[in-house]
Amino acid sequence: KQEVTQIPAALSVPEGENLVLNCSFTDSAIYNLQWFRQDPGKGLTSLLLIQSSQREQTSGRLNASLDKSSGRSTLYIAASQPGDSATYLCAVRDFGNEKLTFGTGTRLTIIP
Amino acid sequence: DVKVTQSSRYLVKRTGEKVFLECVQDMDHENMFWYRQDPGLGLRLIYFSYDVKMKEKGDIPEGYSVSREKKERFSLILESASTNQTSMYLCASSLLDTPEETQYFGPGTRLLVL
Repeated sequence: KQEVTQIPAALSVPEGENLVLNCSFTDSAIYNLQWFRQDPGKGLTSLLLIQSSQREQTSGRLNASLDKSSGRSTLYIAASQPGDSATYLCAVRDFGNEKLTFGTGTRLTIIP
Repeated sequence: DVKVTQSSRYLVKRTGEKVFLECVQDMDHENMFWYRQDPGLGLRLIYFSYDVKMKEKGDIPEGYSVSREKKERFSLILESASTNQTSMYLCASSLLDTPEETQYFGPGTRLLVL
């Protein structure tokens, strides 16, 4: 059974710094991996999706990488801003499965 | 833009009541999902549906049922609400079997069972 882990559970960094969020998963036979953002009391917004055959995806200041062999993904945020404060969730979709398995998230606070 | 809407943002119900949570999507997606989100446990899948009148159990279906009579609408039913069903409920939808497509989430319904 796939398990997804995100460490740390919470992270605070000063504005302007670059930062990395980590995600690990136990079964490498994945269909895709996604990073979501969730603001307090709100739904999830998709940030980046990396297909199984890809190594990374970029969108603006965000870059996500995928290493299936080691069961790891990272989300890199460049030049952090207070508006980046949110919970970031990693989710994995396995082959032959429409379901996503989520990590418990990293709550990010950017200090002005 | 894909839009997933949920019928209520906040609900307060009493133990034993029958509760209906409604979700509607406007993008003709085949798949629809119901999750609950609890602190420290993350999002857990309750049920999903890949077509009208089709449903499959997720990881925590006990105490819940679902209904999908129309493609755009997926309902979650708590037959007899209990206090341990107090949670944030999130609905999502996606296209069937497309690796480049994400799930689109609604804003969530925060349910309190007293």
